[in-house]
Amino acid sequence: DAKTTQPPSMDCAEGRAANLPCNHSTISGNEYVYWYRQIHSQGPQYIIHGLKNNETNEMASLIITEDRKSSTLILPHATLRDTAVYYCIVRPPAAGNKLTFGGGTRVLVKP
Amino acid sequence: DAGVTQSPTHLIKTRGQHVTLRCSPISGHKSVSWYQQVLGQGPQFIFQYYEKEERGRGNFPDRFSARQFPNYSSELNVNALLLGDSALYLCASSLEDQRNTGELFFGEGSRLTVL
Repeated sequence: DAKTTQPPSMDCAEGRAANLPCNHSTISGNEYVYWYRQIHSQGPQYIIHGLKNNETNEMASLIITEDRKSSTLILPHATLRDTAVYYCIVRPPAAGNKLTFGGGTRVLVKP
Repeated sequence: DAGVTQSPTHLIKTRGQHVTLRCSPISGHKSVSWYQQVLGQGPQFIFQYYEKEERGRGNFPDRFSARQFPNYSSELNVNALLLGDSALYLCASSLEDQRNTGELFFGEGSRLTVL
């Protein structure tokens, strides 16, 4: 599976946009980019996923570069409840439910 | 609707013992997966079951085993416990085998401490 690289931690001000980068330079053409987050003492929660095009849902936006070697998760208006570890995952279509989690980015939203 | 439920939520065992962890998927979900999360690390894939058949296995020793029942619930068994087995064990369910795309729904986990 393609490996992802994320900064270990970042701070964000409440109410501001949080931009979380992820590098996946070895991604294959049919591999999807997924984002999950894990709030303290809870199981991971799905946020969004995409293949080539940018995606947006009620939680976040996913921007994938044209060469697909990196992506950015955008939380448009961060709240204190967005404090969590955010995982960027590259998932081959034949992987089934096997997600390969890295270390993630620990995001702290400050008032 | 109930999410993925796991039991027990916390348990303490001693080295050499065995443990059984249980998971009930979201109603209608036929696939269950198990993950181990050691403190400070991301979850690591252990098993996936779909329609009672094993569909994937991670890099874990044979001391780890699992099964899925006709009602799609699942058990994870770990024999001959080691100190290093102390972790949060997460269960995730999904509608199908997820050959293409789709999200996993995770439970809150069972925190196992081995003394």
